[in-house]
Amino acid sequence: NAGVTQTPKFRILKIGQSMTLQCAQDMNHNYMYWYRQDPGMGLKLIYYSVGAGITDKGEVPNGYNVSRSTTEDFPLRLELAAPSQTSVYFCASSLTSGNTGELFFGEGSRLTVL
Amino acid sequence: GENVEQHPSTLSVQEGDSAVIKCTYSDSASNYFPWYKQELGKGPQLIIDIRSNVGEKKDQRIAVTLNKTAKHFSLHITETQPEDSAVYFCAADSGGGADGLTFGKGTHLIIQP
Repeated sequence: NAGVTQTPKFRILKIGQSMTLQCAQDMNHNYMYWYRQDPGMGLKLIYYSVGAGITDKGEVPNGYNVSRSTTEDFPLRLELAAPSQTSVYFCASSLTSGNTGELFFGEGSRLTVL
Repeated sequence: GENVEQHPSTLSVQEGDSAVIKCTYSDSASNYFPWYKQELGKGPQLIIDIRSNVGEKKDQRIAVTLNKTAKHFSLHITETQPEDSAVYFCAADSGGGADGLTFGKGTHLIIQP
C-alpha cells in the first residue's frame, strides 16, 4: 500500500504565482486534511474534508482553496503565492474523524515563495 | 477553542536514560490525546494515544499518563535508543467535528550516544 502520496516534494514559487499541491490516498479513507508546519509552531489545519464533495475551513485557510471530487484525491490550491506561505505542507487521511482515530500523513511538500 | 502547550521544546538525554515530555490543554471537554513522532524528512506517525477514561497506557518502552483534573498528559520513553531521536508532538481533541485535533509545538528529542 502506498498510503498517502504527496507531490511535489519540493517547489520554489515566485510571489504572485499559483500552484496546486497534490494528495492521494489508497486506504479508502473518508476524512482528509491539509496541515502546514512552520518551524517551532507545530501543525496548523488549513482545510479538511469528511467525504467526497464536502470541504471545510480549518484554522488557517486564507490564501488556499481545496476540492474533493473523489474519495482518493484532495488537492490544495495556492492562489497568488506570498512569502508567508513558505512552509512544509502535510496531507493526512483517517478512517474515522481525526479526533477519535489515527491520522496517516504523507511525507510533506516543502514550498518556498520568493 | 482548544490550546495545547508542550514542554520542553528541546530535550537531550543520554542513550539508555528516560525522557519525559509534558503537555497541558485548556478544553475540559477534550477526551482524546494522541502522540505523534516525526523523523527527519518524514510525516508525523502515531505512536500512542490515550482516552479520557484511562489514566495510563503503556506500549513496550513508551507510556502516556493523563491527569484530567489538572488537564495535563505526558509521554514517557524508557531505555532510550538512537532511533528515538525525532520531533514528538502531542495533540488534544475538543470533542468537536473532524477538525478537532490541536497540536502542541513539538519537542525535539536528541539521544546522545
